[in-house]
Amino acid sequence: EVQLLESGGGLVQPGGSLRLSCAASGFTFSNHGMSWVRQAPGKGLEWVSAISGSGGGTYYADSVKGRFTISRDNSKSTLHLQMNSLRAEDTAVYYCAKFRYSRPGAENNWFDPWGQGTLVTVSS
Amino acid sequence: QSVLTQPPSASGTPGQRVTISCSGSSSNIGSNTVNWYHQLPGTAPKLLIYSNNQRPSGVPDRFSGSKSGTSASLAISGLQSEDEADYYCAAWDDSLNVWVFGGGTKLTVL
Repeated sequence: EVQLLESGGGLVQPGGSLRLSCAASGFTFSNHGMSWVRQAPGKGLEWVSAISGSGGGTYYADSVKGRFTISRDNSKSTLHLQMNSLRAEDTAVYYCAKFRYSRPGAENNWFDPWGQGTLVTVSS
Repeated sequence: QSVLTQPPSASGTPGQRVTISCSGSSSNIGSNTVNWYHQLPGTAPKLLIYSNNQRPSGVPDRFSGSKSGTSASLAISGLQSEDEADYYCAAWDDSLNVWVFGGGTKLTVL
């Protein structure tokens, strides 16, 4: 069974940093692209970032570009999201999700499954 | 403002058929397949439809998807109370090199 377990969320002050992790199991991690998607309280889903199976390709939403860095450790089947210069508008539940294919922009790709999410609150 | 446009709400009575639309552009829906996700309150999103019209195992055939040009639709027939959830469409955008989501549609079963 494929499982994704996020961790690392919490309360952080504006301007601060946080590192999220997503531990994966039940599949060959390096064969699949991975992604982070967030959901602000009471709002819809917002795609944040994605990374190819090898880690050689990374993609970011404009809202986080230059502040967030996605990475992966295929030897440990773990996905990371380093979040710097955090703002109040970054407050959200952050989900990690597995792609069907290695390249995030590959034809006929999709997110499945999703983890249970980790809450990040940016507030003073 | 989401790149993909969905109606914020939809409703129907048990047994009815409802459809949820998702409008995009030539660089996203017009060029790539559309996926649909549903989300029950307090839970993580789950894949409902992939590649425009394919159902993952376990998803009832009451759910169907379609795509035409730069728009896509999700249809739910034989509406049931457990279908009350938020529904999102998503697609890859070739021009922006990003994934884009619709703003979500809250489905209410009256």
